[in-house]
Amino acid sequence: AQKVTQAQTEISVVEKEDVTLDCVYETRDTTYYLFWYKQPPSGELVFLIRRNSFDEQNEISGRYSWNFQKSTSSFNFTITASQVVDSAVYFCALFLAYSGAGSYQLTFGKGTKLSVIP
Amino acid sequence: DSGVTQTPKHLITATGQRVTLRCSPRSGDLSVYWYQQSLDQGLQFLIHYYNGEERAKGNILERFSAQQFPDLHSELNLSSLELGDSALYFCASSRTEAETQYFGPGTRLLVL
Repeated sequence: AQKVTQAQTEISVVEKEDVTLDCVYETRDTTYYLFWYKQPPSGELVFLIRRNSFDEQNEISGRYSWNFQKSTSSFNFTITASQVVDSAVYFCALFLAYSGAGSYQLTFGKGTKLSVIP
Repeated sequence: DSGVTQTPKHLITATGQRVTLRCSPRSGDLSVYWYQQSLDQGLQFLIHYYNGEERAKGNILERFSAQQFPDLHSELNLSSLELGDSALYFCASSRTEAETQYFGPGTRLLVL
């Protein structure tokens, strides 16, 4: 069975600091997708990024960057120069795309609550 | 705004009652997923429909059922409600089964 672990339950940083949110996943499958979603205090789940298991290139989008390492089964998320608007709960998720048990559904980690203090 | 709509936004009801949550997917999306978010269980997959057919079930109780209609909207029916069913229920949709899921704003259910 697949599993996603976000060991950091809560993180507090001061505005403009960099912060990295950790995500470790477990799956026996070779084809999978990894996601990050953001849940601001308003409650909705906002899609941030999707990576497939065959693409280990790091990705940068503005102040956000993601580091995918298959060797350590990790998909970490870094926010550079954090802002108050980044305060939210961030979820890492695993998705298997094949026709079998556990497929076509997101398996989420427990989430990391990030508080950015002005 | 993801383009996925859910109604109602909030629902307060009593134990033993039955409620229906409604979801309209993004235009063109054929897949609809339901998830439950609770404090103790986190975000859990409930059920998946693709173009009207049930495709996968997760940790969905027998008291819960869902369907996807020909116009692709979906309803999640929760019956014989218990206090522990209080949670945020999300609907998500994707164009096909393997594409990114976009989430609606959720329905917050409170069972008293």
